[in-house]
Amino acid sequence: GIQVEQSPPDLILQEGANSTLRCNFSDSVNNLQWFHQNPWGQLINLFYIPSGTKQNGRLSATTVATERYSLLYISSSQTTDSGVYFCAVFQPHKAAGNKLTFGGGTRVLVKP
Amino acid sequence: DSGVTQTPKHLITATGQRVTLRCSPRSGDLSVYWYQQSLDQGLQFLIQYYNGEERAKGNILERFSAQQFPDLHSELNLSSLELGDSALYFCASSVEYGSYNEQFFGPGTRLTVL
Repeated sequence: GIQVEQSPPDLILQEGANSTLRCNFSDSVNNLQWFHQNPWGQLINLFYIPSGTKQNGRLSATTVATERYSLLYISSSQTTDSGVYFCAVFQPHKAAGNKLTFGGGTRVLVKP
Repeated sequence: DSGVTQTPKHLITATGQRVTLRCSPRSGDLSVYWYQQSLDQGLQFLIQYYNGEERAKGNILERFSAQQFPDLHSELNLSSLELGDSALYFCASSVEYGSYNEQFFGPGTRLTVL
C-alpha cells in the first residue's frame, strides 16, 4: 500500500517562530488532508488540499501532487498550536474504499 | 465541533468483555469510517460503511464488527477484549460528492482494557 512519511517527527518552537512541516507520499493520490490533534486527542481538520495552495489565518498548505509531497506552514506560532500534526491521503482504489492513510505525525511543542 | 458525535468518551473494561461504541455522522453524510489510534500502530483504518452497506475493510480483527443503521448512525462492536485493544477509536464521516471526499472526525472514544 501507499506509504506516507512526515518530517520532522518532533519540533520545538519558541512562540512567534515560523515552521514548515513536510509530508511525502509514495504514490499518486486523489486527496490529501492535514489534521491537528490537540492535547485532548481531538482531530481537527486544517486543510483539504489535493493540489495547490490554501491559507487559513496563520496556517497555509501547499500540495504538489506531481512530486508527491505536501507542506504545512505555521507562522507566528502560538502555544495553542502545540499538538500533533497529521497528513492523510486518499487513493482512488475501489477495493480499498475511501480510507485515509495517515502519516506518523509531527509532534509540535510551542514554548512561551 | 466537527458535527460527528461519538459515545461514550471513555470506556474502561476488563479483558474478555464486549463493548459497543456509537457514532452519529454529520447531517447529510452517508459514509461512516472507523479508525483506531494506538501508540504502536498509529492511526489505522478499520472499516467503512456507505448508506448502510459495508464498503471496505482495513486491518479490522475478526473479534470486531460494525454496522450502519437506517438512520445512518453506526456502531463498532469489540468482543473478547485484550489488553492490546486499548486505544482511541475514532469515527469519521464524509458526504462523498463526486470526487470531494473530505472526512470529518468525531472526538473519539478512549478504550482502556484492564
